[in-house]
Amino acid sequence: GNSVTQMEGPVTLSEEAFLTINCTYTATGYPSLFWYVQYPGEGLQLLLKATKADDKGSNKGFEATYRKETTSFHLEKGSVQVSDSAVYFCALTDQTGANNLFFGTGTRLTVIP
Amino acid sequence: DTAVSQTPKYLVTQMGNDKSIKCEQNLGHDTMYWYKQDSKKFLKIMFSYNNKELIINETVPNRFSPKSPDKAHLNLHINSLELGDSAVYFCASSRQGGDTEAFFGQGTRLTVV
Repeated sequence: GNSVTQMEGPVTLSEEAFLTINCTYTATGYPSLFWYVQYPGEGLQLLLKATKADDKGSNKGFEATYRKETTSFHLEKGSVQVSDSAVYFCALTDQTGANNLFFGTGTRLTVIP
Repeated sequence: DTAVSQTPKYLVTQMGNDKSIKCEQNLGHDTMYWYKQDSKKFLKIMFSYNNKELIINETVPNRFSPKSPDKAHLNLHINSLELGDSAVYFCASSRQGGDTEAFFGQGTRLTVV
């Protein structure tokens, strides 16, 4: 079956620190991989995605590379800001056409000045 | 214009009541979803509709029923509400295809007292 395992939080970092949030997946076939972000009081919004092996998704200074050999899609940012404080969700969709998004448990990031 | 809108944003009700949450999307998407987010931020898909047909129905109680009057709407009806139904419910939509982005509504915080 399909599942996503995500690094447990919460994560607290100082401004300008390096961020890594680990994500590994289990899927049949060749899933597409996503990172969604949820700011306080809001719905989820797409942060970045990668649709095939070795693709790198990037947005707002965040990056993640689709690693088929390690079934991973770790999220990284070189220098976090206070405004990055949010909950981050790793997710995948399978290729069955059902478009079902399977989410990880979410990782809460707090960045302190 | 809000892409995916759901109402109400907050809903407080007593146990045993029946309530509905409405969702509308103006993106022309083929597929709409309902997700439940618990107090630990874990997201679980409840339903998805593609072209007015239910294609995913996870193990949710049959007190929950989705209703789709047309492609742009997917409403969630809940009968005989229980304390454990308290959560944030998110509506989402996407185009066909597993690599496409899902757009989420702002969420409805349901509190059952």
